[in-house]
Amino acid sequence: DAGVIQSPRHEVTEMGQEVTLRCKPISGHNSLFWYRQTMMRGLELLIYFNNNVPIDDSGMPEDRFSAKMPNASFSTLKIQPSEPRDSAVYFCASSFGADEQFFGPGTRLTVL
Amino acid sequence: GQNIDQPTEMTATEGAIVQINCTYQTSGFNGLFWYQQHAGEAPTFLSYNVLDGLEEKGRFSSFLSRSKGYSYLLLKELQMKDSASYLCAVRGFTGGGNKLTFGTGTQLKVEL
Repeated sequence: DAGVIQSPRHEVTEMGQEVTLRCKPISGHNSLFWYRQTMMRGLELLIYFNNNVPIDDSGMPEDRFSAKMPNASFSTLKIQPSEPRDSAVYFCASSFGADEQFFGPGTRLTVL
Repeated sequence: GQNIDQPTEMTATEGAIVQINCTYQTSGFNGLFWYQQHAGEAPTFLSYNVLDGLEEKGRFSSFLSRSKGYSYLLLKELQMKDSASYLCAVRGFTGGGNKLTFGTGTQLKVEL
């Protein structure tokens, strides 16, 4: 069975450019989570959706970050414009209700 | 809000037993999770506790005391492949009730 799928796996971009990260959750899961992981701050929740509806976006750093979930099988996290401090590993995770979360392989973002 | 504390690093010997502690302070408690994360990989689910007591799953066990805001992960018969970061995560009732707050992780090194 396919797990959570993320693309791209690696992204290198220049400051000021738009970055779009993509996620396909596990089929049948109704909750989707976007996390950011850095050495300094650890694993932080940015936003999560339940049944495609954003429930908690209190972790989104600022207006440069936005996330959408147009349907049950796809979500995007967009950063516009990107800054060097956005460099991190971004994980997408999904779950069925309150069950354990399954994480995707992550996208390693480097903003120069 | 939630505050989670766990040791930064631990070292243990192959074949031995190690206990990784996690203390937390939360305004509302709805479960505690342990995840394992190998370097460069995604976190993977290990265990879940919501009631006081011990949950055993093979070589891994997790204990919870809600009154003390305390949990531990016990790893028995340590193997080299158990070298990884172990993340404690607490779920509260805020943010829709499915939001996890992660500790910064305990880096475990297993030596010969």
